[in-house]
Amino acid sequence: SQQGEEDPQALSIQEGENATMNCSYKTSINNLQWYRQNSGRGLVHLILIRSNEREKHSGRLRVTLDTSKKSSSLLITASRAADTASYFCATAGGGADGLTFGKGTHLIIQP
Amino acid sequence: EAQVTQNPRYLITVTGKKLTVTCSQNMNHEYMSWYRQDPGLGLRQIYYSMNVEVTDKGDVPEGYKVSRKEKRNFPLILESPSPNQTSLYFCASSPLAGAYNEQFFGPGTRLTVL
Repeated sequence: SQQGEEDPQALSIQEGENATMNCSYKTSINNLQWYRQNSGRGLVHLILIRSNEREKHSGRLRVTLDTSKKSSSLLITASRAADTASYFCATAGGGADGLTFGKGTHLIIQP
Repeated sequence: EAQVTQNPRYLITVTGKKLTVTCSQNMNHEYMSWYRQDPGLGLRQIYYSMNVEVTDKGDVPEGYKVSRKEKRNFPLILESPSPNQTSLYFCASSPLAGAYNEQFFGPGTRLTVL
């Protein structure tokens, strides 16, 4: 069953604006990860945040995690056309099995 | 270059004709897994392997087999493919068991079963 649910399903903004995507999940986690996928291609890891962390930065990316609300957000600042992609959150429960992915947010950056 | 490779990248086949999708990683990772991606459903894990000769079912294992005879290779076998296995398949690897670290994904194999 799906663990993470991204919101919104699709987002279109102008180049230079900030993009925010949200992810909600149902059960306790060890960590939460965000991935990017360009159309039909493999997934690229963006950032991992552990359950005892509240915020993490990587370049233009900022991820927050609120375990009490079982939610996370991904902020992309100063967006570029190359940021156009689908973004997935994925949760890890801490066992031997793998990630549980949400359905993704499709982000379009208008030039 | 550190990478996960999959072959073939595209495959069109017919119902019932056995096929194998290969996956190989050159990063000496312990953990490997297979996912399928379908529109509106996201990615779902099919099988995973914690190490050589150790494999286990994911969320959607029906109709699939895997083997892990060598650390670097983790082929996905469809003994009798059916149209509902038409999907985009991804192999992934990770240094440690489970999802404690980032997963490295292959480029994907787009499979169509007629």
